[in-house]
This record gives sequence, structure tokens and C-alpha cells, in this order.
Amino acid sequence: DIQMTQSPSSLSASVGDRVTITCRASQNMNRYLNWYQQGPGKAPKLLIHSASTLQSGVPSRFSGSGSGADFTLTISSLQPEDFATYYCQQTFSFPYSFGQGTKLEIK
Amino acid sequence: QITLKESGPTLVKPTQTLTLTCTFSGFSLSSSPEGVGWVRQPPGKALEWLALIYWDDDVRYSPSLGTRLTITKDTSKNQVVLTVDNVGPMDSGTYFCAHSGLATFRAVNRRFFDYWGQGVLVTVSS
Repeated sequence: DIQMTQSPSSLSASVGDRVTITCRASQNMNRYLNWYQQGPGKAPKLLIHSASTLQSGVPSRFSGSGSGADFTLTISSLQPEDFATYYCQQTFSFPYSFGQGTKLEIK
Repeated sequence: QITLKESGPTLVKPTQTLTLTCTFSGFSLSSSPEGVGWVRQPPGKALEWLALIYWDDDVRYSPSLGTRLTITKDTSKNQVVLTVDNVGPMDSGTYFCAHSGLATFRAVNRRFFDYWGQGVLVTVSS
């Protein structure tokens, strides 16, 4: 099974900040990497698939990069609605595992 | 527009079988390349991928739950059913179903969950 490790586990930032979240896979998985955002008590929302493709309707301040085993999610200028938990997920091989999550909090 | 909604019991006793239903609209699970999966989340913890069923009846399960999981589909009702056998307290949490989207680039297919249900909170307790 592929293990997904996110860092940091939590992050404090302010509105307008640029933040980066990292996801590392236990093996090379090309670009089979997705990012989700989950607000409290809400279902996850797909932000980015295939490592860097922005899902329709997602603001352009979100971007993804990486390939192989190392990936990043960047939010260029934090907005109040961006404070949430973010998960990466690999769909290279079954089981389609998720990272442990990164909680983004207001500083 | 694709929508999904989970339904099932909110309280289940240990050792019982949990049966959850995902009712969806906006696509047909008898058509390529559609798929529906299940993900759960214990309170305050991370997402855990459980199972997935495709239009061609290909099914995949999380090895960590072994043979306790079964996923089936009823295309006439637009439903996917997940059963979890012999539940215990560790099976408590919110269960989500989600549509498996597909993107193809240079003949490479990549999957993701692009639409999700609201989730159903299940508690396992005597």
C-alpha cells in the first residue's frame, strides 16, 4: 500500500498570506495525486486533481505541483473561507489512500 | 448535475452488520467510466478510503477492513450499498459516498472524487 504523509499537520496563517502544504508518497506515483478541502462538519471538496489541474469552480489562488513522490498545494493569498483541513489522496494504486490532513488555522 | 446522498442507521450495536445506501442522480452507473466509492472519517480524524465499484462491476476494497466490506450497486434504483460486517467501536464515524470522476491526458486515466454526499454519522455502541 502507498503511504501518504502530509506536512505540516497544522499551520497558522493570516488572511493574505501565501501558504504551502506538502504531501509525500511512499513510492513514485507519477501525477496520480488529488487535493481536497474540508470545512468543519462538511464533506470534502475536490480542489485539484492529477497533481496540478484545478477543478472547475475552484479559485485560481489554489495551485498544485509536483510529480513522482513529492507534491505541494499552494494558496497564493489566503481568504477567510480557506481556513479548513486539507487532504491529499493518491489514486495510483489501490487502496486509494489519503494523507493524515493539514489543519489550516487563523493566526 | 450530480448529487449523492447517504442513508442508514445512526446507531448500530457491536457485532451487527452496518448497511449504508448511497442514492445518486445525474449519472448512470451502468455507463462507462462511472464509479462510486465510500470514504469514512472517525470523529476528529482523517479520511479513510473504504471501497469503490465501477460501471462494469469491478470492485475494490480497503485491505485494512479485510472481508468485512461488501459494495454492490443497483443501477435501476441509482443506488450503491455498502455493508460492514461485525462492527465495533472503531467503525464509528461519518461515512461519505462519492462519485469517481475521470480525467484522461495523453492516454493516461486518472481518478478522483469530484462529487460527495453530505455524509451520515454512525455510532457503534451497545
